[in-house]
Amino acid sequence: QKEVEQNSGPLSVPEGAIASLNCTYSDRGSQSFFWYRQYSGKSPELIMFIYSNGDKEDGRFTAQLNKASQYVSLLIRDSQPSDSATYLCAVGSGGYNKLIFGAGTRLAVHP
Amino acid sequence: DVKVTQSSRYLVKRTGEKVFLECVQDMDHENMFWYRQDPGLGLRLIYFSYDVKMKEKGDIPEGYSVSREKKERFSLILESASTNQTSMYLCASSFGQGNGNTIYFGEGSWLTVV
Repeated sequence: QKEVEQNSGPLSVPEGAIASLNCTYSDRGSQSFFWYRQYSGKSPELIMFIYSNGDKEDGRFTAQLNKASQYVSLLIRDSQPSDSATYLCAVGSGGYNKLIFGAGTRLAVHP
Repeated sequence: DVKVTQSSRYLVKRTGEKVFLECVQDMDHENMFWYRQDPGLGLRLIYFSYDVKMKEKGDIPEGYSVSREKKERFSLILESASTNQTSMYLCASSFGQGNGNTIYFGEGSWLTVV
């Protein structure tokens, strides 16, 4: 069974700090990795995707991928209360854009 | 903008009823998916379809079936609803056969089986 693991949290950070969200995956052959944000009662929305080892930056968000360690992370700089949500890590698996999701990490940014 | 529409947002059904959840996408995507989301378990794939009339089981297909008669529409069917199928159901769509394209989610259908 292919798995994606995330710490469920909550991860609590003060406003303006860096939030670091982590994810590990079991399928060494995985090639595509996604971070989704989900507000309570809403559907997931894509924040970033990453395919290559290293860092990928988009505004306040940085995704980091280490395929050798089977590890993906998401950094959120200058965290805002509006960033408070559940963050889902997802890994592409088996073609047709099927995704395996982690259970999500709940982030709470307090003023 | 891609739009994935789930027509029923909130449903309450009785045990043993047949339940239909409908999903329509407007971007001519080949692939459509049904996931369910439960606290602590994340999203789990029930079924997906990569073309009209084509379907494949996901990780948790038991108790569910699907229908895709038109490219834009993908239906999830609970033949005989049970209380353990109380959940949020998410439909999604994407194009292409690889693993790198974005999938777009509908707003979700909250199903309660009593």
